Amino acid sequence: GQSLEQPSEVTAVEGAIVQINCTYQTSGFYGLSWYQQHDGGAPTFLSYNALDGLEETGRFSSFLSRSDSYGYLLLQELQMKDSASYFCATGGSYIPTFGRGTSLIVHP
Amino acid sequence: NAGVTQTPKFQVLKTGQSMTLQCAQDMNHNSMYWYRQDPGMGLRLIYYSASEGTTDKGEVPNGYNVSRLNKREFSLRLESAAPSQTSVYFCASSEPQGADEQFFGPGTRLTVL
Repeated sequence: GQSLEQPSEVTAVEGAIVQINCTYQTSGFYGLSWYQQHDGGAPTFLSYNALDGLEETGRFSSFLSRSDSYGYLLLQELQMKDSASYFCATGGSYIPTFGRGTSLIVHP
Repeated sequence: NAGVTQTPKFQVLKTGQSMTLQCAQDMNHNSMYWYRQDPGMGLRLIYYSASEGTTDKGEVPNGYNVSRLNKREFSLRLESAAPSQTSVYFCASSEPQGADEQFFGPGTRLTVL
């Protein structure tokens, strides 16, 4: 089976940097993905790490350590519109598994 | 391109009624998925179809059936709805190579009374 653990809620102020952690236990591992979901909306893909290290996409970066079964999403220069839920997810053998999500609240 | 479309957007059923949720994608993806999302539970996989002609159970398949009608369409059927199936249902598709990025439909908000 597979399971992913992430904090339920994180708060930060506009302009700050926030890190959302994700630890996983999987029987097969192909990589770690991150999705964003605004209230009432559908999840949208943010990033993917297949190998150890940091992947950067604009203000968002994602990190993976396979040896530690750990990854994180880093959001820089936070904006109010970044208030949303963030999910880590892993797929293997066509069976994707999502974490329960982290609600990010950005305060002015 | 419309991406992934789902119908209906909202539905209210009485216990015991049946219904089919429709999903279609126009990205020529091989893999399609059905999830349910409940508060605090994240996205849980109900069924998936790795390619046209195949379907497999996910984490929470009980009470549901699926049909991969063709490469574009993947439907989810509730034969006898129960209040525990009140949820938001998302369909997704992907091409399972590399990032295996999943593209989600807008969701169906289902209430079973």
